Amino acid sequence: NAGVTQTPKFRILKIGQSMTLQCTQDMNHNYMYWYRQDPGMGLKLIYYSVGAGITDKGEVPNGYNVSRSTTEDFPLRLELAAPSQTSVYFCASSYLPGDTDTQYFGPGTRLTVL
Amino acid sequence: AQSVAQPEDQVNVAEGNPLTVKCTYSVSGNPYLFWYVQYPNRGLQFLLKYITGDNLVKGSYGFEAEFNKSQTSFHLKKPSALVSDSALYFCAVRPHDYKLSFGAGTTVTVRA
Repeated sequence: NAGVTQTPKFRILKIGQSMTLQCTQDMNHNYMYWYRQDPGMGLKLIYYSVGAGITDKGEVPNGYNVSRSTTEDFPLRLELAAPSQTSVYFCASSYLPGDTDTQYFGPGTRLTVL
Repeated sequence: AQSVAQPEDQVNVAEGNPLTVKCTYSVSGNPYLFWYVQYPNRGLQFLLKYITGDNLVKGSYGFEAEFNKSQTSFHLKKPSALVSDSALYFCAVRPHDYKLSFGAGTTVTVRA
C-alpha cells in the first residue's frame, strides 16, 4: 500500500491563478479530508467527503472546491489563488469501522501564492 | 462547540528524561481523543487514541497518554525521551462525527 499520496509537493502560484491539488488513497477508505496547516494554528478542515459523490464543507472552505468521483481520488481546486491561501495542505483518509477512526495523512503540498 | 488546547508551544527536555506534552479539551459528551506526531516535511502520523476503557492508553514509539475526565485532559507521556522524538505533536478530538479538531501543536525538542 502506498497509503495517501499527494501531488505536487511544492508549488508557487501567482495571485489569481488556479490549480488542483491531487490526493489519492489506495486503502479503500470511505472518508477523505483536506486540511490546511498554518504556523501556530494547527490544522483546519477545508472540505471532507464521506464517499464517492458526497462532499461537504469544513471550517474554512472559502476559496476552495472539491469533487469525489471515485473512492480513491479527492482533488482540491483553488480557482483564484490569493496570498491568504499560502499554506501547507494535507489530505487524509479514514475507514471509520464502527466507533473507531484513525486518519491517515499524506505528505503534504506546500503552496506559496505571490 | 469543540476545542482542543495545547498550552505549551514548546517543550524542551534532555534525552533520557521524562517527556510530557499537555492537552486539554472542551467537548460535550464522551469524545474520542487522539495524538499525532509530525516530523519535519512529513505528514501527520497517528500515535495513539482513546475511545473508551482504560484511562491509560499505550501507543507507538513508547508513548502513552492518560485520559482524565474530571480534568478534561489527555496528556501525552514518554518515560525516557530520545533525540529522535523531537517533532511537532498534535492533540485532536472527535466528538461524535468524523471530523477531527486539532490543537495548535507543541514542538518538542530533546537535547542530547
